Amino acid sequence: DAGVIQSPRHEVTEMGQEVTLRCKPISGHNSLFWYRQTMMRGLELLIYFNNNVPIDDSGMPEDRFSAKMPNASFSTLKIQPSEPRDSAVYFCASSFRADTQYFGPGTRLTVL
Amino acid sequence: KQEVTQIPAALSVPEGENLVLNCSFTDSAIYNLQWFRQDPGKGLTSLLLIQSSQREQTSGRLNASLDKSSGRSTLYIAASQPGDSATYLCAVGWDDKIIFGKGTRLHILP
Repeated sequence: DAGVIQSPRHEVTEMGQEVTLRCKPISGHNSLFWYRQTMMRGLELLIYFNNNVPIDDSGMPEDRFSAKMPNASFSTLKIQPSEPRDSAVYFCASSFRADTQYFGPGTRLTVL
Repeated sequence: KQEVTQIPAALSVPEGENLVLNCSFTDSAIYNLQWFRQDPGKGLTSLLLIQSSQREQTSGRLNASLDKSSGRSTLYIAASQPGDSATYLCAVGWDDKIIFGKGTRLHILP
C-alpha cells in the first residue's frame, strides 16, 4: 500500500480564496483524521470520521472550515474563505478502528 | 479538562546513551496512548501504541510504558544513535478525543 496520500503537498494562496485539501486513506482503514500543526499550538485534531461519518468536529476552528468524506477512499478539508492565520501544515491520518494511526506527508498551506 | 504535557521540550544527549522521554496526562480514563516520531518537514511515524489495558510495549531499542493511575507514559530509547534525532510526540486517546503533546525535540550528539 502507498500509505496515506495527501494533495497538494504545498499550497500558496491569497487571503479570501477557497482552499481544498485532499486525502486518500489506506485501503481497509475505517477511521480518518484531519490535523493541523503550527509552531504555536502544536498538533491539533480538527475532525475525524468513522466509516465515512463525522464523529467529532469540535476541533474545527470556525465555520470557514468544512470536511467531507463521500466514500471510504477519499476525504476533503475545505477552507472558505482562507485567512493568513490558517497557514499551517495539515495532516491526514487513517487507522483501522482504534489501532495505530498512519499519517500522510501533510499539506503545507500558506495564506498570504 | 484533558491535557497532555511533554517535558522537556528539547533534549540533547551524546550518542550511545540510554534516555527517557516523558508524557503526562490528566484524566486517567484513557483509551490508548501512542508515541510518534516526526522528522523535520515530514509527517508523523507511529512508534508504539499502548492500549489502556497494557502496561508497556517494546519495539527494538524502544520501550514505552504506561501508568494510568499516575497519568504518565515514558518512552525509553536504548543505545541512542544520531538517526534517533527527531521530535517525539505522544498522543493520548479518550473516548471522545485525541490530544497530542507538544513533543520533545531530541538531538543525539555524534
